[in-house]
Amino acid sequence: ETGVTQSPTHLIKTRGQQVTLRCSSQSGHNTVSWYQQALGQGPQFIFQYYREEENGRGNFPPRFSGLQFPNYSSELNVNALELDDSALYLCASSLTSGLSTDTQYFGPGTRLTVL
Amino acid sequence: DQQVKQNSPSLSVQEGRISILNCDYTNSMFDYFLWYKKYPAEGPTFLISISSIKDKNEDGRFTVFLNKSAKHLSLHIVPSQPGDSAVYFCAASARGGGADGLTFGKGTHLIIQP
Repeated sequence: ETGVTQSPTHLIKTRGQQVTLRCSSQSGHNTVSWYQQALGQGPQFIFQYYREEENGRGNFPPRFSGLQFPNYSSELNVNALELDDSALYLCASSLTSGLSTDTQYFGPGTRLTVL
Repeated sequence: DQQVKQNSPSLSVQEGRISILNCDYTNSMFDYFLWYKKYPAEGPTFLISISSIKDKNEDGRFTVFLNKSAKHLSLHIVPSQPGDSAVYFCAASARGGGADGLTFGKGTHLIIQP
């Protein structure tokens, strides 16, 4: 059984650019959530995807968007990057059954630096 | 408006003693609580969880206690070991971790002294 993987590990972009981060879910999981962790803070929920549809969203602007693919892998896209977008981006996968979602398991994260 | 609060940024405990990490929450809709452990340059690792229908859950050296009336939970680690040195995050969700995602505290850095 493979765990959650993310790519790339590190990324440097300049303000105004666009970025795509990738995540492969743990085997058997059908739900993926994305979080942003700024320095010294806890992870903040960006959004969640289930069955290729956005299933819930935190307090993030529309320039943060995502995709989930039939194999349950996922992408996070951020447009018009701002300096404050510099953070660790975490992907978590879980199994949704009925109305509840099981424990979320996290990948190692992608460190994004915006200059 | 922080809905999950970990008021101790750091905690130092001697090896072999008990470590107690605390967490308070304000949202009464939360019904599922988790603790994650994080080493530098790694993602959070799930440790233990508790549903709001219970007041205690135990897994080996780790026990989580939930006091719903006080909106408080704690993680006990006994005995503490050097490998327990990490940042510990308390997290909460409504509807069993559903589409609202997890709400995290800012973390407590646990340091186990030899």
